[in-house]
Amino acid sequence: AQKITQTQPGMFVQEKEAVTLDCTYDTSDPSYGLFWYKQPSSGEMIFLIYQGSYDQQNATEGRYSLNFQKARKSANLVISASQLGDSAMYFCAMREGASVKAAGNKLTFGGGTRVLVKP
Amino acid sequence: GAVVSQHPSWVICKSGTSVKIECRSLDFQATTMFWYRQFPKQSLMLMATSNEGSKATYEQGVEKDKFLINHASLTLSTLTVTSAHPEDSSFYICSATDGGTEAFFGQGTRLTVV
Repeated sequence: AQKITQTQPGMFVQEKEAVTLDCTYDTSDPSYGLFWYKQPSSGEMIFLIYQGSYDQQNATEGRYSLNFQKARKSANLVISASQLGDSAMYFCAMREGASVKAAGNKLTFGGGTRVLVKP
Repeated sequence: GAVVSQHPSWVICKSGTSVKIECRSLDFQATTMFWYRQFPKQSLMLMATSNEGSKATYEQGVEKDKFLINHASLTLSTLTVTSAHPEDSSFYICSATDGGTEAFFGQGTRLTVV
């Protein structure tokens, strides 16, 4: 079964508007971490934001915020005030085991969502 | 953030030859490194987990003898694609952790086998 699901293969968003990228996950481990990465056409993976399963508040990093709904097992990424440079692939990923000791655990990625920002 | 350098960025090789890709953590010690493969317009698929000083752990379906992984030091892991064939053409990307929550990625290597 898919552990990370991104149901939106592609999205258009108008410049300066906000966009929400969906991500649902499946795990039986009570400790886990959720990540969002941006992959531009050049290929590198750019870390955007992290949410731990025990974090009480939703993570925010500049224009990025994570809408974490633990009971629904969703971790949607919200990009506010979209810019042309936000056009890229976006991947949601999960690592089971959120403690420092779990740093050696692998990341499992969703299928990705391609975002195109229109001027 | 920490820096992971991957080399080369792209490589073209002839069918039947071997290609080595390096992944270095420049400013931290990485006890664990990961190797991923990504086909066009698809997600990253984990190939193997590389631990310093021990044998790599391969994911199901990944040929150990074809994709040789060596993690000889805390700052270097290598992936060697042996006897490469056109179907091995792909984007290969490594990541490493410094013990924190974040995984740092290399720039990726685009391999084309002709």
